[in-house]
Amino acid sequence: NAGVTQTPKFQVLKTGQSMTLQCAQDMNHEYMSWYRQDPGMGLRLIHYSVGAGITDQGEVPNGYNVSRSTTEDFPLRLLSAAPSQTSVYFCASAPGLAGGRTDTQYFGPGTRLTVL
Amino acid sequence: GDSVTQMEGPVTLSEEAFLTINCTYTATGYPSLFWYVQYPGEGLQLLLKATKADDKGSNKGFEATYRKETTSFHLEKGSVQVSDSAVYFCALSDSSYKLIFGSGTRLLVRP
Repeated sequence: NAGVTQTPKFQVLKTGQSMTLQCAQDMNHEYMSWYRQDPGMGLRLIHYSVGAGITDQGEVPNGYNVSRSTTEDFPLRLLSAAPSQTSVYFCASAPGLAGGRTDTQYFGPGTRLTVL
Repeated sequence: GDSVTQMEGPVTLSEEAFLTINCTYTATGYPSLFWYVQYPGEGLQLLLKATKADDKGSNKGFEATYRKETTSFHLEKGSVQVSDSAVYFCALSDSSYKLIFGSGTRLLVRP
């Protein structure tokens, strides 16, 4: 049981490049989310999913796309990277109603992204 | 909208000192409240939670009580250790499973 995994751990991009941050969980959780962590601002929700095929925007969705084709995977795509997207990105999952436990989220180890 | 406010850090304490990190929240409904901890270079780990008023969450010597009348969820520990040095985040969640975080409080414990 690996929990929530994220790849890569570190990434450096140039402005305008695109890339995908990977997130996977092996706990059969319904809910998955992406957050970004910036100094002094805590974590802010980018996008989330309540099940395969269902996604929605969080607090700071601009410049990011997501999809949820399987229960296990929830990739985050940066369409055209900008320096303002330099941040640490965390993926999280939660059991959802079917899991019988309410709203505890489990976090991955994070991806540190730098956009030059 | 819903929000969480935490005390500014860093908080610097000597080993075995008493710890309090203040957290207050604003919410329209009845959220669940959480404390997460982030050790250097790692992701966030759930430290404790409380799901309704007057509930007390506890773990690893840390405690926090859900106070609806003061909209607070302060984190306390009676005797901190060097290994408790980390960043602590207070957070709330409404029924839609989205976490709203405070800005985090860095704790430094000196031997």
